[in-house]
Amino acid sequence: GAGVSQSPSNKVTEKGKDVELRCDPISGHTALYWYRQRLGQGLEFLIYFQGNSAPDKSGLPSDRFSAERTGESVSTLTIQRTQQEDSAVYLCASSEGGAAETQYFGPGTRLLVL
Amino acid sequence: GDSVTQMEGPVTLSEEAFLTINCTYTATGYPSLFWYVQYPGEGLQLLLKATKADDKGSNKGFEATYRKETTSFHLEKGSVQVSDSAVYFCALSDLGDGNNRLAFGKGNQVVVIP
Repeated sequence: GAGVSQSPSNKVTEKGKDVELRCDPISGHTALYWYRQRLGQGLEFLIYFQGNSAPDKSGLPSDRFSAERTGESVSTLTIQRTQQEDSAVYLCASSEGGAAETQYFGPGTRLLVL
Repeated sequence: GDSVTQMEGPVTLSEEAFLTINCTYTATGYPSLFWYVQYPGEGLQLLLKATKADDKGSNKGFEATYRKETTSFHLEKGSVQVSDSAVYFCALSDLGDGNNRLAFGKGNQVVVIP
């Protein structure tokens, strides 16, 4: 079956603009995660969804970042008024259940803020 | 909070050499431990995992043993190939403190020279 997909694969934007990143998880996976990978760094957790609810938003770096999930499927991560420090690869992962289940990662969206 | 520490710096070695990448962790509960691999131009893939103390995860000739007494999960391979060149990330998940996310180390770039 299909894996986790993300779009766009690359996004270049100007400072101050809003961007939306999309994640399509593996069908039937109830848990969905967003991570950020800055150049030369490990992955930073952003937010976790169980179904359409987000019980853990603790990794969102500021109120410019928000995410939603609908239909226990697609998720969008929105960054408002982008800043240069938002440049990173944004990764989405899904799993069948809780965190002990294996997370399957998408290819990521590479965001560059000029 | 939970954290993972990987040895500093890239690893360069010759084909058929022995590979070790050190990983230690700090966690409040009883985490599951993972190694993920990112091949050039590809997304993160699960390499192996272990869910309890003394478990050994293995895949593609790689092994790692969950050592609770030393809080470690070092990755080893007896004879590396050029195709093993990639970035390797150690990670943990720990439902014990209520967080449903993976905590990653910074990753190690492995370059295998023919």
